[in-house]
Amino acid sequence: SAVISQKPSRDICQRGTSLTIQCQVDSQVTMMFWYRQQPGQSLTLIATANQGSEATYESGFVIDKFPISRPNLTFSTLTVSNMSPEDSSIYLCSVEAGGDEDTQYFGPGTRLTVL
Amino acid sequence: GQNIDQPTEMTATEGAIVQINCTYQTSGFNGLFWYQQHAGEAPTFLSYNVLDGLEEKGRFSSFLSRSKGYSYLLLKELQMKDSASYLCAVREEEQAGTALIFGKGTTLSVSS
Repeated sequence: SAVISQKPSRDICQRGTSLTIQCQVDSQVTMMFWYRQQPGQSLTLIATANQGSEATYESGFVIDKFPISRPNLTFSTLTVSNMSPEDSSIYLCSVEAGGDEDTQYFGPGTRLTVL
Repeated sequence: GQNIDQPTEMTATEGAIVQINCTYQTSGFNGLFWYQQHAGEAPTFLSYNVLDGLEEKGRFSSFLSRSKGYSYLLLKELQMKDSASYLCAVREEEQAGTALIFGKGTTLSVSS
């Protein structure tokens, strides 16, 4: 398995500002995933971050709104830009641990509230 | 298109057995995962099926039928701490580093 940490664990932000969420993994991984979980909903993939290349975004998510960095094989950041109350959500980082199952493990999440 | 269906809510009593069903329609299939998520926490991995049949892990078992696009998670000897949301997720692609598609989750409430 992989041990994943995220910072911050939660934040309350004002409309129009930006927040950068950090994700750190205890081992080197090729792919990192960023998901969003809005209140009462399941997880929706925002983008896939591969080290050394541009992130791949899912339909409905754009780089200008959710820029991602992946400077090395153990770290990634997701920025939520020009926030609105609709961005209030839990943001989760995930990695694939490898092995036979290629199981995905999740970080503890960042709970964002936008006022 | 992609579609993963689970019941929204289920209730059960301590010591009982509960089965949470999941049906899926995806463009490809390379494994089905079950996760447990307690309120305010991240999902934690429970089980993985890629071949037809039953996988057992202690009190939890998961079953898969690829021809029917169907899986279930079986929880035995229920405990209060099993009250949580249970997420069914499918990986469509074969190559490593493919994200999962999640169902909306089933909220299980266990009462004494």
